Amino acid sequence: QSVLTQPPSVSGAPGQRVTISCTGSNTNIGAGYDAHWYQQFPGTAPKLLIHGNTNRPSGVPDRFSGSKSGTSASLTITGLQAEDEADYYCQSYDSRLIGYVFGSGTKVTVL
Amino acid sequence: QITLKESGPTLVKPTQTLTLTCAFSGLSLSGDGVGVGWLRQPPGKALEWLAHIYWDDDKRYSPSLKSRLTVTKDTSKNQVVLTMTNMDPVDTATYYCAHMSNWGSIHWYFALWGRGTLVTVSS
Repeated sequence: QSVLTQPPSVSGAPGQRVTISCTGSNTNIGAGYDAHWYQQFPGTAPKLLIHGNTNRPSGVPDRFSGSKSGTSASLTITGLQAEDEADYYCQSYDSRLIGYVFGSGTKVTVL
Repeated sequence: QITLKESGPTLVKPTQTLTLTCAFSGLSLSGDGVGVGWLRQPPGKALEWLAHIYWDDDKRYSPSLKSRLTVTKDTSKNQVVLTMTNMDPVDTATYYCAHMSNWGSIHWYFALWGRGTLVTVSS
C-alpha cells in the first residue's frame, strides 16, 4: 500500500482537462516536502514531468501543470491529447519513513 | 547530455546476491550537488525507491531494505554499483538508476532515468 494515494485511473476526451490527485499526510507533502510527477509509457522508463510542485523541465508541454495544497498535490493536463495516455506517478519525501515515497500510479485514458 | 545505463544479470536464484552497475555520462559524481539513485518497479506495480548516493559519498537506503542493500560509487569510471543480498522471487522487478537533482526544488527528485533492466528471481 503506497504512502501517497492516487486514483487508479482517470479518463477524458481529447481537449478536456483532467486532474490527478496525490494525497499524502503530515509526514510528507503536508510537512512541506515537495511533490514531483513522472510520466511512464508502457515498457519504458519514467520521465520527470513536474518538479518542486509546479516546475516543468525544459521540453515538457505547458498543458501539464502541478499544484500543492495542504497534504495533497495535483497534476492537471489541460487540453488532453491522445499522446498523453500513460501512467502518472507522484513522489515526495517522508520524514517518518525516512525515504522517498511514490504514489500508486494513475492510468490516464484518452477516450 | 546526461545518459544512464543499467547492467547486470537478468536472472538470479533465490538467496543469491544481485549486483547491478549504473554507467553514466554527462555528469560527474565528484561535483557538488550530484546524486545517483536506484529504484525498482515490479511488473504491473508502482515505483519504489531503494537507495542513493551523493557526490560526497553520503548514502541513504530504504529502511525496509537497508539490511540487504549496499551502494558504492567509482568516480573514475563514472559508475554506481548496487548490491542486494538474499534475493527472493518478490524482488523480481525492473531496476532503474536515475540522476538526482534538486534544481528548482528544495528537495531532491529523480531528474533522468536509465532504461532499466529486468531482473527475475527464480530457481
